[in-house]
Amino acid sequence: GAGVSQSPSNKVTEKGKDVELRCDPISGHTALYWYRQRLGQGLEFLIYFQGNSAPDKSGLPSDRFSAERTGESVSTLTIQRTQQEDSAVYLCASSLARLAAETQYFGPGTRLLVL
Amino acid sequence: GENVEQHPSTLSVQEGDSAVIKCTYSDSASNYFPWYKQELGKRPQLIIDIRSNVGEKKDQRIAVTLNKTAKHFSLHITETQPEDSAVYFCAASMNTGFQKLVFGTGTRLLVSP
Repeated sequence: GAGVSQSPSNKVTEKGKDVELRCDPISGHTALYWYRQRLGQGLEFLIYFQGNSAPDKSGLPSDRFSAERTGESVSTLTIQRTQQEDSAVYLCASSLARLAAETQYFGPGTRLLVL
Repeated sequence: GENVEQHPSTLSVQEGDSAVIKCTYSDSASNYFPWYKQELGKRPQLIIDIRSNVGEKKDQRIAVTLNKTAKHFSLHITETQPEDSAVYFCAASMNTGFQKLVFGTGTRLLVSP
């Protein structure tokens, strides 16, 4: 079946502009996660969704970052008033999220460059 | 919160040699430990995982060991091949349905022919 997809694959924006990044999880996956990966670094947790609710937003770097999920499917990560330090690859992952830990399947990421 | 440290940051081996990557974690409540492989410009992909009710798991040339007392776990790759070259990330989380993975900083493995 189809894997996790993300769009756009690349985004170049000017400092101060807002951007929206989209994630389409694997159908039927209840859990959805957003991570940020700066160049040459590890994955930094941002937020996760349990259905359409976000029990853990602890990783969002500032109030410029927000995310929503609708219909237990698509999620959008919004970054307002982008800064150069926001430049990174933003990865989305989804999992079945049953009682035990399930494999998180990652999307290809959106490479964001803030000029 | 959980903190995961990973060593080494880079590892160069000759084809056919073994490679070992080590991670330590801080939260004794963590009990799920996946390993991801990320090739250049590609998405991370799970290669093996282990839960704390076992001490070792093996899948062909790849094995993971877990020492709960010492709070460390390791990835072992035997008979390395050039296509094993990639960045490897360890992670730790609670073994619940919705798990927040805390990742190590990654190990860049280079396998030379």
